[in-house]
Amino acid sequence: AQTVTQSQPEMSVQEAETVTLSCTYDTSESDYYLFWYKQPPSRQMILVIRQEAYKQQNATENRFSVNFQKAAKSFSLKISDSQLGDAAMYFCAYRSGANSKLTFGKGITLSVRP
Amino acid sequence: NAGVTQTPKFQVLKTGQSMTLQCAQDMNHNSMYWYRQDPGMGLRLIYYSASEGTTDKGEVPNGYNVSRLNKREFSLRLESAAPSQTSVYFCASSYNGQTNEKLFFGSGTQLSVL
Repeated sequence: AQTVTQSQPEMSVQEAETVTLSCTYDTSESDYYLFWYKQPPSRQMILVIRQEAYKQQNATENRFSVNFQKAAKSFSLKISDSQLGDAAMYFCAYRSGANSKLTFGKGITLSVRP
Repeated sequence: NAGVTQTPKFQVLKTGQSMTLQCAQDMNHNSMYWYRQDPGMGLRLIYYSASEGTTDKGEVPNGYNVSRLNKREFSLRLESAAPSQTSVYFCASSYNGQTNEKLFFGSGTQLSVL
């Protein structure tokens, strides 16, 4: 079974600075997708960014980018120019190419200091 | 667009009571999911339905049953609620359950079992 590990329960960043959220996963599959979801206090789950395992190029969405290290099974999220609205819980997730299941990590709470 | 609608938003039950959480999506999605979210545990898959007429167990199915009533609706039933089922429950859907698809989430149901 696949596992997703987010070892840091909390992080803090100064507004306008850059922060990196860590995620590792364990799998024997070669076909999969990785996701980062954001959950603000409203509880809404929002897709931030996704990465296909076959693509070597790191995905980027505006201020959000990933550092995908396939051999190391690492998938970190970098948030540049942090804003107060970035404060939320962030979940790393793995989706197998073999089935529909999306497996989440335990999440990390990000706070942004003004 | 309504997206994924869950009812109720909040519920308090006594141990042993039963209840059904309702979920409906209006995006013509084939795949639907039920997750529970507990502090420090992330989101864990309870059941999912890859398409109308099919359901499969996820990571934590014990104590729950599901019904894929039609393409739009996917309900979760607690036959005899236990305090361990106190959690936030999320329904989600995706178009075809393909690996690269994002999940659309409802706003969650906060359930307390006393």
